[in-house]
Amino acid sequence: GENVEQHPSTLSVQEGDSAVIKCTYSDSASNYFPWYKQELGKGPQLIIDIRSNVGEKKDQRIAVTLNKTAKHFSLHITETQPEDSAVYFCAAIDNYGQNFVFGPGTRLSVLP
Amino acid sequence: GAVVSQHPSRVICKSGTSVKIECRSLDFQATTMFWYRQFPKQSLMLMATSNEGSKATYEQGVEKDKFLINHASLTLSTLTVTSAHPEDSSFYICSASVSSYNEQFFGPGTRLTVL
Repeated sequence: GENVEQHPSTLSVQEGDSAVIKCTYSDSASNYFPWYKQELGKGPQLIIDIRSNVGEKKDQRIAVTLNKTAKHFSLHITETQPEDSAVYFCAAIDNYGQNFVFGPGTRLSVLP
Repeated sequence: GAVVSQHPSRVICKSGTSVKIECRSLDFQATTMFWYRQFPKQSLMLMATSNEGSKATYEQGVEKDKFLINHASLTLSTLTVTSAHPEDSSFYICSASVSSYNEQFFGPGTRLTVL
């Protein structure tokens, strides 16, 4: 089955700096990779996703890159703001099911 | 669009009682709904997947007689924790999916505390 690893587990950056979170997956059949932001006491919120037919996707300050050969994908947040502080989860899903496998999460702290 | 609600947001109950949590997709029809459990500082763990009108599919290690799932319509799924015990205390989160696009949209979660 699919296994998703995520690094780092915690990340602190200064406001205005960039943050990068990386995930690796094991199942080469996986073709959809979402990123979720979870604030304390709330449900995860989809912030960006990418499918295996593209290598990069950008939405304002957030971007995701995918390397299918190496089986890893990364979340990039530029010009970080204190409100970006949260736990971020990556996930992977394959063509044969609808079940996401989530990474263990990254706690991002943006220091003012 | 793609809003999922959960009710209640927080519940405290005595050991041995049953608790029902509702999950609704407010502005779309969800072919599949998912139930997750999340312990503090941990990732989301899938408990079960349910399709409207069908029996839920439970993940290994999840007791189907303890966590009853009903998916009566394309917009409503319920999770009932039967005979709850303190170890069932957790954050329960549902999500709903429009299958053709794979995206899962999550509810705000329900904090269950069993005394």
